[in-house]
Amino acid sequence: GAVVSQHPSWVICKSGTSVKIECRSLDFQATTMFWYRQFPKQSLMLMATSNEGSKATYEQGVEKDKFLINHASLTLSTLTVTSAHPEDSSFYICSALQDYLGEQYFGPGTRLTVT
Amino acid sequence: AQTVTQSQPEMSVQEAETVTLSCTYDTSESDYYLFWYKQPPSRQMILVIRQEAYKQQNATENRFSVNFQKAAKSFSLKISDSQLGDAAMYFCAYRSIQGAQKLVFGQGTRLTINP
Repeated sequence: GAVVSQHPSWVICKSGTSVKIECRSLDFQATTMFWYRQFPKQSLMLMATSNEGSKATYEQGVEKDKFLINHASLTLSTLTVTSAHPEDSSFYICSALQDYLGEQYFGPGTRLTVT
Repeated sequence: AQTVTQSQPEMSVQEAETVTLSCTYDTSESDYYLFWYKQPPSRQMILVIRQEAYKQQNATENRFSVNFQKAAKSFSLKISDSQLGDAAMYFCAYRSIQGAQKLVFGQGTRLTINP
């Protein structure tokens, strides 16, 4: 089956620093990837839609300059949390939309802790 | 904009019994997809079942089946012969067939299986 990986699975960073999270589709091409944020015991909140070769589309209320998204290839999208603060601590999940079948597959998530 | 509502924050069921999780949605579109996702403690999102709105027949996947009532905009999930491994958060999700194909999630239902 289609596999999506995320790296790192867990990261701790200091307030004010930036952290990059990678999302890779391992065995299929994905022109479109999605980034979600999930707070404890809550649902997934879509942050942005990442499109290969073009700018990401951010959901209302998501700061573009804080959450930088780059989708440089058909198998890789990255989310960079810039100038991280404790309130950015959360679980970040990506998903990849398989080009051929149109199915969406999820990564295992990344736990970000900002101290 | 589409919305998805899961009115049961928590449900519990005895092992080997049957449980039904509720989901309602709101949309003005006539064709779309509906999904149930499972999120176990590992937090990996797993697709349980998918329903195309144009299909009148309810989808089934082994012990999992749905009751899709298009006019009522209802999409419930029935789990038969519940197993301990079914314990998880369950999310109902909507996806348009047009546009970015992003998923809209409900709030989730935490399912506990009692041995």
